[in-house]
Amino acid sequence: EIVMTQSPATLSVSPGERATLSCRASQSVSVNLAWYRQKPGQAPRLLIFGASSRATGIPARFSGSGSGTEFTLTISSLQAEDFALYYCQQYNNGRTFGQGTKVEIK
Amino acid sequence: EVQLVESGGGLVQPGRSLRLSCVASGFTFEDYAMHWVRHSPGKGLEWVSGISSNGRTIGYADSVRGRFTISRDNAKNSLYLQMNSLRADDTAFYYCAKGRITIFSYFDSWGPGTRVTVSS
Repeated sequence: EIVMTQSPATLSVSPGERATLSCRASQSVSVNLAWYRQKPGQAPRLLIFGASSRATGIPARFSGSGSGTEFTLTISSLQAEDFALYYCQQYNNGRTFGQGTKVEIK
Repeated sequence: EVQLVESGGGLVQPGRSLRLSCVASGFTFEDYAMHWVRHSPGKGLEWVSGISSNGRTIGYADSVRGRFTISRDNAKNSLYLQMNSLRADDTAFYYCAKGRITIFSYFDSWGPGTRVTVSS
Protein backbone atom coordinates (compact mmCIF):
# COMPACT_ATOMS: atom_id res chain seq x y z
CA GLU A 1 0.00 0.00 0.00
CA ILE A 2 1.23 3.49 -0.86
CA VAL A 3 1.59 5.57 2.30
CA MET A 4 0.90 9.30 2.06
CA THR A 5 2.56 11.57 4.62
CA GLN A 6 1.44 15.17 5.07
CA SER A 7 3.34 17.93 6.79
CA PRO A 8 3.04 19.82 8.94
CA ALA A 9 0.29 18.31 11.08
CA THR A 10 -0.85 21.81 12.05
CA LEU A 11 -0.12 25.10 10.29
CA SER A 12 -0.82 28.40 12.01
CA VAL A 13 -1.36 31.24 9.55
CA SER A 14 -2.84 34.72 9.70
CA PRO A 15 -5.74 35.64 7.40
CA GLY A 16 -4.45 37.00 4.11
CA GLU A 17 -1.13 35.19 4.37
CA ARG A 18 0.15 32.34 2.21
CA ALA A 19 -0.07 28.72 3.33
CA THR A 20 2.05 25.92 1.92
CA LEU A 21 1.11 22.30 2.64
CA SER A 22 3.21 19.27 1.72
CA CYS A 23 2.37 15.70 0.84
CA ARG A 24 4.86 12.90 0.25
CA ALA A 25 4.17 9.47 -1.25
CA SER A 26 6.08 6.35 -0.24
CA GLN A 27 6.52 5.53 -3.94
CA SER A 28 5.85 7.38 -7.16
CA VAL A 29 2.22 8.19 -7.92
CA SER A 30 3.04 10.17 -11.07
CA VAL A 31 0.56 13.09 -11.05
CA ASN A 32 -2.34 11.01 -9.76
CA LEU A 33 -2.76 13.16 -6.67
CA ALA A 34 -5.77 15.07 -5.35
CA TRP A 35 -6.28 17.59 -2.55
CA TYR A 36 -9.42 18.07 -0.47
CA ARG A 37 -10.57 20.61 2.10
CA GLN A 38 -12.82 19.50 4.94
CA LYS A 39 -14.56 22.07 7.11
CA PRO A 40 -15.87 20.99 10.54
CA GLY A 41 -19.10 19.01 10.25
CA GLN A 42 -18.92 18.88 6.45
CA ALA A 43 -17.89 16.40 3.81
CA PRO A 44 -14.54 16.85 2.07
CA ARG A 45 -14.53 18.99 -1.06
CA LEU A 46 -12.25 18.35 -4.02
CA LEU A 47 -9.83 21.22 -4.62
CA ILE A 48 -7.14 19.85 -6.94
CA PHE A 49 -6.82 16.74 -9.12
CA GLY A 50 -4.02 15.59 -11.39
CA ALA A 51 -1.64 17.29 -8.93
CA SER A 52 -2.25 20.76 -10.39
CA SER A 53 -5.72 21.07 -11.96
CA ARG A 54 -8.30 23.04 -10.01
CA ALA A 55 -11.70 21.42 -9.63
CA THR A 56 -14.84 23.18 -10.83
CA GLY A 57 -15.63 26.27 -8.79
CA ILE A 58 -12.36 26.35 -6.88
CA PRO A 59 -10.85 29.84 -6.69
CA ALA A 60 -7.49 30.68 -8.18
CA ARG A 61 -5.89 31.20 -4.77
CA PHE A 62 -5.56 27.41 -4.59
CA SER A 63 -2.72 25.89 -6.59
CA GLY A 64 -1.10 22.47 -6.64
CA SER A 65 2.28 21.32 -7.85
CA GLY A 66 4.58 18.31 -7.86
CA SER A 67 4.94 14.88 -9.37
CA GLY A 68 6.32 11.51 -8.41
CA THR A 69 6.58 11.54 -4.62
CA GLU A 70 6.57 15.22 -3.61
CA PHE A 71 3.53 17.47 -3.81
CA THR A 72 2.53 20.91 -2.58
CA LEU A 73 -0.76 22.72 -2.09
CA THR A 74 -0.45 26.50 -1.88
CA ILE A 75 -3.19 28.84 -0.73
CA SER A 76 -2.02 32.30 -1.78
CA SER A 77 -4.13 34.41 0.58
CA LEU A 78 -6.04 32.64 3.31
CA GLN A 79 -9.72 33.46 3.66
CA ALA A 80 -11.91 32.69 6.67
CA GLU A 81 -13.37 29.58 5.03
CA ASP A 82 -9.89 28.16 4.40
CA PHE A 83 -9.19 27.44 8.05
CA ALA A 84 -9.96 23.74 7.89
CA LEU A 85 -8.46 20.30 7.43
CA TYR A 86 -6.67 19.43 4.19
CA TYR A 87 -6.05 15.95 2.84
CA CYS A 88 -4.04 14.64 -0.07
CA GLN A 89 -5.04 11.41 -1.82
CA GLN A 90 -3.21 9.27 -4.35
CA TYR A 91 -5.11 7.27 -6.95
CA ASN A 92 -2.23 5.85 -8.93
CA ASN A 93 -2.32 2.48 -7.19
CA GLY A 94 -5.37 1.98 -5.04
CA ARG A 95 -6.58 5.03 -3.18
CA THR A 96 -4.93 6.25 -0.01
CA PHE A 97 -5.19 9.48 1.93
CA GLY A 98 -2.68 11.38 3.96
CA GLN A 99 -3.39 11.92 7.64
CA GLY A 100 -4.29 15.57 7.09
CA THR A 101 -2.98 19.06 7.83
CA LYS A 102 -5.01 21.38 10.02
CA VAL A 103 -4.77 25.03 8.99
CA GLU A 104 -5.61 27.18 11.99
CA ILE A 105 -5.79 30.89 12.64
CA LYS A 106 -2.60 32.37 14.03
CA GLU B 1 -25.93 19.99 -9.64
CA VAL B 2 -24.63 16.68 -8.31
CA GLN B 3 -26.39 15.52 -5.17
CA LEU B 4 -25.61 12.44 -3.11
CA VAL B 5 -27.67 11.56 -0.07
CA GLU B 6 -26.73 8.74 2.27
CA SER B 7 -29.00 6.94 4.70
CA GLY B 8 -29.00 3.87 6.90
CA GLY B 9 -26.48 4.79 9.56
CA GLY B 10 -27.08 4.40 13.26
CA LEU B 11 -26.05 2.67 16.47
CA VAL B 12 -25.42 -1.07 16.16
CA GLN B 13 -23.90 -3.71 18.42
CA PRO B 14 -20.62 -5.41 17.55
CA GLY B 15 -21.14 -8.39 15.28
CA ARG B 16 -24.39 -7.08 13.84
CA SER B 17 -25.16 -5.79 10.36
CA LEU B 18 -26.15 -2.50 8.77
CA ARG B 19 -26.96 -1.47 5.20
CA LEU B 20 -26.12 1.97 3.91
CA SER B 21 -27.78 3.51 0.87
CA CYS B 22 -26.93 6.47 -1.31
CA VAL B 23 -29.28 8.09 -3.81
CA ALA B 24 -27.67 10.14 -6.55
CA SER B 25 -29.00 12.89 -8.80
CA GLY B 26 -27.73 15.61 -11.09
CA PHE B 27 -25.54 13.41 -13.28
CA THR B 28 -25.75 10.24 -15.37
CA PHE B 29 -25.24 7.75 -12.56
CA GLU B 30 -24.63 4.74 -14.81
CA ASP B 31 -21.58 6.41 -16.38
CA TYR B 32 -19.47 6.75 -13.24
CA ALA B 33 -17.72 4.60 -10.68
CA MET B 34 -18.96 5.14 -7.15
CA HIS B 35 -17.28 4.73 -3.79
CA TRP B 36 -17.71 4.63 -0.04
CA VAL B 37 -15.20 6.57 2.05
CA ARG B 38 -15.23 6.81 5.83
CA HIS B 39 -13.84 9.31 8.30
CA SER B 40 -13.06 8.66 11.92
CA PRO B 41 -11.18 10.92 14.35
CA GLY B 42 -8.49 8.34 14.97
CA LYS B 43 -7.85 7.21 11.41
CA GLY B 44 -8.74 10.20 9.25
CA LEU B 45 -10.12 9.49 5.78
CA GLU B 46 -10.14 5.89 4.56
CA TRP B 47 -11.40 4.58 1.24
CA VAL B 48 -13.70 1.65 2.00
CA SER B 49 -14.95 0.29 -1.31
CA GLY B 50 -15.56 1.19 -4.94
CA ILE B 51 -17.62 -0.17 -7.82
CA SER B 52 -17.33 0.45 -11.53
CA SER B 53 -20.11 2.01 -13.57
CA ASN B 54 -21.44 -1.36 -14.75
CA GLY B 55 -20.84 -3.07 -11.41
CA ARG B 56 -18.39 -5.61 -12.80
CA THR B 57 -15.27 -4.29 -11.10
CA ILE B 58 -15.28 -3.98 -7.32
CA GLY B 59 -12.60 -3.20 -4.79
CA TYR B 60 -12.38 -3.22 -1.02
CA ALA B 61 -9.99 -1.96 1.60
CA ASP B 62 -8.22 -4.78 3.42
CA SER B 63 -9.90 -3.70 6.64
CA VAL B 64 -13.40 -4.52 5.34
CA ARG B 65 -12.83 -7.23 2.73
CA GLY B 66 -14.95 -10.29 3.48
CA ARG B 67 -17.29 -8.31 5.75
CA PHE B 68 -18.64 -5.50 3.56
CA THR B 69 -20.35 -5.78 0.16
CA ILE B 70 -20.83 -2.89 -2.23
CA SER B 71 -23.51 -2.90 -4.92
CA ARG B 72 -25.40 -0.51 -7.15
CA ASP B 73 -28.72 -0.28 -8.96
CA ASN B 74 -28.33 1.98 -11.98
CA ALA B 75 -32.07 1.93 -12.63
CA LYS B 76 -32.60 3.51 -9.21
CA ASN B 77 -29.51 5.76 -9.23
CA SER B 78 -28.52 4.08 -6.00
CA LEU B 79 -25.40 2.78 -4.29
CA TYR B 80 -25.36 0.41 -1.35
CA LEU B 81 -22.98 -0.89 1.29
CA GLN B 82 -23.91 -4.03 3.20
CA MET B 83 -21.84 -4.12 6.37
CA ASN B 84 -21.70 -7.41 8.27
CA SER B 85 -19.76 -8.49 11.36
CA LEU B 86 -19.35 -4.89 12.42
CA ARG B 87 -16.55 -4.00 14.81
CA ALA B 88 -15.89 -1.05 17.07
CA ASP B 89 -13.24 0.24 14.68
CA ASP B 90 -15.85 0.51 11.92
CA THR B 91 -17.31 3.46 13.84
CA ALA B 92 -17.08 6.45 11.50
CA PHE B 93 -18.89 8.86 9.27
CA TYR B 94 -19.54 7.08 5.96
CA TYR B 95 -19.58 9.12 2.77
CA CYS B 96 -20.89 8.20 -0.65
CA ALA B 97 -18.51 9.67 -3.21
CA LYS B 98 -18.70 10.03 -6.97
CA GLY B 99 -15.69 8.81 -8.87
CA ARG B 100 -14.76 9.16 -12.51
CA ILE B 101 -15.10 6.93 -15.54
CA THR B 102 -12.30 4.73 -14.23
CA ILE B 103 -12.60 3.07 -10.83
CA PHE B 104 -9.10 4.30 -9.92
CA SER B 105 -9.73 7.99 -9.42
CA TYR B 106 -10.27 10.89 -7.13
CA PHE B 107 -13.70 11.77 -5.75
CA ASP B 108 -15.27 14.86 -7.23
CA SER B 109 -18.51 14.99 -5.25
CA TRP B 110 -19.42 13.76 -1.78
CA GLY B 111 -22.63 13.30 0.13
CA PRO B 112 -23.09 14.83 3.61
CA GLY B 113 -22.41 11.43 5.18
CA THR B 114 -24.16 9.11 7.60
CA ARG B 115 -22.84 8.23 11.04
CA VAL B 116 -22.25 4.61 12.01
CA THR B 117 -21.55 3.82 15.65
CA VAL B 118 -20.63 0.27 16.64
CA SER B 119 -20.96 -0.16 20.39
CA SER B 120 -22.53 -2.46 22.92
